[in-house]
Amino acid sequence: ETGVTQSPTHLIKTRGQQVTLRCSSQSGHNTVSWYQQALGQGPQFIFQYYREEENGRGNFPPRFSGLQFPNYSSELNVNALELDDSALYLCASSLGGGRDQPQHFGDGTRLSIL
Amino acid sequence: QQQVKQSPQSLIVQKGGISIINCAYENTAFDYFPWYQQFPGKGPALLIAIRPDVSEKKEGRFTISFNKSAKQFSLHIMDSQPGDSATYFCAATNQGGKLIFGQGTELSVKP
Repeated sequence: ETGVTQSPTHLIKTRGQQVTLRCSSQSGHNTVSWYQQALGQGPQFIFQYYREEENGRGNFPPRFSGLQFPNYSSELNVNALELDDSALYLCASSLGGGRDQPQHFGDGTRLSIL
Repeated sequence: QQQVKQSPQSLIVQKGGISIINCAYENTAFDYFPWYQQFPGKGPALLIAIRPDVSEKKEGRFTISFNKSAKQFSLHIMDSQPGDSATYFCAATNQGGKLIFGQGTELSVKP
């Protein structure tokens, strides 16, 4: 069974640029959630995708957007990057969008904004 | 009301001792409470989870105690080992699967 994989592992961008992060869900999982983890903090929910549709969104501005593909992999896009966007971006997959389906995390993409 | 408050922020325990981490929540709609373990450079890994209709759940050396009336839950790590040194996060969610995380506890187990 293949776990959640994310790419790239590290990325350096400058303010105002755009970035795309990628996530492959665990085999058999149809739901992907994205989280932002600032240094020394707990992860913050960005949004969730279930069967290619957005299924809930956290308190993040519209410049954070996402996609889920028919194979359930997902992308997180961030436009007009700001210094505060520097963080670890985590993807988690689960089976179904329900509350008691365990979410399994990848190791994240470390994004640094200069 | 969406917050989950976690304490302590850091914890030092001797090898073989019991590590205890506490969390409190306000939203009574939360109905699933997982604990995650995170090592440096890695993503959070699910350790154990509980639903509010159960007061305790044990898996190996890890136990969750749940107090629904007090809106509190805790993680106990028995016989703590140096390999348990990591950051631990409690979390809560209701229908929809959006996880609300606590601030994390950095556990250090001394040999």
